Amino acid sequence: QVQLVESGGDLVTPGGSLRLSCAASGFTFTDYYMSWIRQTPGKRLEWLAYISTSGNTIYYADSVKGRFTISRDNAKSSVFLQINSLSADDSAVYYCAKNVLRYFDSWGQGTLVTVSS
Amino acid sequence: EIVLTQSPATLSLSPGERATLSCRASQSISTYLAWYQQIPGQTPRLLIYDASKRATGIPARFSGSGSGTDFTLTISSLEPEDFAVYYCQQRSEWPPSWTFGQGTKVEIK
Repeated sequence: QVQLVESGGDLVTPGGSLRLSCAASGFTFTDYYMSWIRQTPGKRLEWLAYISTSGNTIYYADSVKGRFTISRDNAKSSVFLQINSLSADDSAVYYCAKNVLRYFDSWGQGTLVTVSS
Repeated sequence: EIVLTQSPATLSLSPGERATLSCRASQSISTYLAWYQQIPGQTPRLLIYDASKRATGIPARFSGSGSGTDFTLTISSLEPEDFAVYYCQQRSEWPPSWTFGQGTKVEIK
């Protein structure tokens, strides 16, 4: 079955950086686009970034453009999110998700990022 | 950016009752809408896509309808495990971006 396992979340101070990872299994990773989505403490869901199968096509939400970088390693069936210049507003659970058509058919369990001094 | 507005914010119902949840888009999105269920402590699960197609393994009591700007998720007879938060979601054409509604909580009355 499909498994997406995120890691890398942590408590960081404002202005800090983190690199989140998502290890995929149970499907042919190279066949699927992938995304990162976060859920705020208020439970709002926000799509952040998308990457194509080859990694050549990438899109970002306007709110994170220039601070977040998505990448993937098809040899390791993994997708990554580099997040820089963190602020309190970035505190959230970060999910990776498998794209199918216009939707997300599988989600990981999430990794918690807390930004606080 | 297309905004999705869900109503009501909270729906208080008893097991066995029918639940009707609404999602309104700020502009037409044809039938390109999905619904997700999030049980407390769990990850979101895809229920419905393309407005009315049930995802794999989703029970028939869940149905979706609508097109254009107005969409509905109906749960015909609530089971105990259906008390959760439900989100709608769409993808804009260009530039591609994905947005979610703010969610509707279905709680036990």
